[in-house]
Amino acid sequence: QQQVKQSPQSLIVQKGGIPIINCAYENTAFDYFPWYQQFPGKGPALLIAIRPDVSEKKEGRFTISFNKSAKQFSLHIMDSQPGDSATYFCAASLSGGTGKLIFGQGTTLQVKP
Amino acid sequence: DGGITQSPKYLFRKEGQNVTLSCEQNLNHDAMYWYRQDPGQGLRLIYYSQIVNDFQKGDIAEGYSVSREKKESFPLTVTSAQKNPTAFYLCASRLAGSTWNEQFFGPGTRLTVL
Repeated sequence: QQQVKQSPQSLIVQKGGIPIINCAYENTAFDYFPWYQQFPGKGPALLIAIRPDVSEKKEGRFTISFNKSAKQFSLHIMDSQPGDSATYFCAASLSGGTGKLIFGQGTTLQVKP
Repeated sequence: DGGITQSPKYLFRKEGQNVTLSCEQNLNHDAMYWYRQDPGQGLRLIYYSQIVNDFQKGDIAEGYSVSREKKESFPLTVTSAQKNPTAFYLCASRLAGSTWNEQFFGPGTRLTVL
């Protein structure tokens, strides 16, 4: 009930491609879904987040698509660049309360020049 | 500059020793969290605190201890009871009652047991 499953584990795309990372959750009470970007040896940084009352959110080249009925959400990176090469984590939580985040396993993205 | 600092960046421990990892924030955030990250795995919650002098166990609290004597500080002690402590440790904080549950992370401490 508390798990968030993320796929794929790793992804390689060419510069300009559109990598897509998928996550699925079980707990229908979750109402906050962030994505974090992490470079090697650094702490994760919040990239973009969505609530289930919208189906899509865009910030720059990053887009979250959300499918409430399927309990799935995904991250799309438009016009990907080598500088986007990093590990990406999805997460889910209940708003308010403890703020505990349940993280997916992570996806390592490599964007080739 | 506002942010979260963790020290040291690298820490080496001999088996049987306790070590303490520091986490400080000047964001005036109420809640603070400790996560453990292992290669190829997501972040797993060790302990969290929503208010000074109060903290709760996360999913993998065994072998760890924390204190929250000040709002800005949340140190983590890795005790000798933690059988496999080599990992990357991340501290995070959050403003309680925020509309969005944003957690902001520090730069991490890499602990290696020799």
